[in-house]
Amino acid sequence: AAGVIQSPRHLIKEKRETATLKCYPIPRHDTVYWYQQGPGQDPQFLISFYEKMQSDKGSIPDRFSAQQFSDYHSELNMSSLELGDSALYFCASSLTPGQGAKNEQFFGPGTRLTVL
Amino acid sequence: DAKTTQPPSMDCAEGRAANLPCNHSTISGNEYVYWYRQIHSQGPQYIIHGLKNNETNEMASLIITEDRKSSTLILPHATLRDTAVYYCIVRVAYGQNFVFGPGTRLSVLP
Repeated sequence: AAGVIQSPRHLIKEKRETATLKCYPIPRHDTVYWYQQGPGQDPQFLISFYEKMQSDKGSIPDRFSAQQFSDYHSELNMSSLELGDSALYFCASSLTPGQGAKNEQFFGPGTRLTVL
Repeated sequence: DAKTTQPPSMDCAEGRAANLPCNHSTISGNEYVYWYRQIHSQGPQYIIHGLKNNETNEMASLIITEDRKSSTLILPHATLRDTAVYYCIVRVAYGQNFVFGPGTRLSVLP
C-alpha cells in the first residue's frame, strides 16, 4: 500500500539558510500534519492542514511557514535556520472520517535536517 | 487533552507477552485511547485505538478498564522487532494533532 512520502530524506544546511521540506500524503488523504522531533525528544506538533486550509497550529516558530497545495501535498518552509532546528521532521496524513477512516494518522519516514 | 502516564521503560523476553500499562485518569467521555510506537527514529506507527470496549487487531490487543482511567496494550508474542518506544495518547476528535508524551521504551530481550 502507498505510504506517506517525504523529501528529501536528509538535508544539511548552514545557519541562516532556508530549507523546504515536502510531504506527499497517502492518496485520498486530505489532512496533513507536521511534527518536529529533536534529538532525544518526543515528536512535537507544528501545524496541520485540512483541505488546503490551516486547521491547527502548535509550537511552530514564526520563521517557519507551511501550506497545502491543490494536490494535497504540503511543504514546510524554514527560514533563518538555527542550530536548534536540527531535528527529524515528520509528516503525517489522515482521511476525513465518514469515509471508513479510523482517525489514525499515518506517518512518513521523516526528513533529517542538520544545521551547521 | 487528558494527560497520560506510562512507565519509562520495560523489558520483555522474546516470545512472551508484553503488557504495557497507561494511566489516563482525567480522560473525557468522548476521548479515544490511541497507541503508537516509534522504532529507532522511524516515523511513529499506529498500533490500535479504542473508546471503551476492548479491541484486538493483527498487531495487538487493547484492554480498557471499565472506568476508562487506565488501559493496557498487549503484544501477545513479542519479537526483537517490537523493541521501540510505545506512546499512549488520548484524543477527542478527528483533526486534532497527537500529543506525544514520554512513552515507554520497551526492550525485547533474546
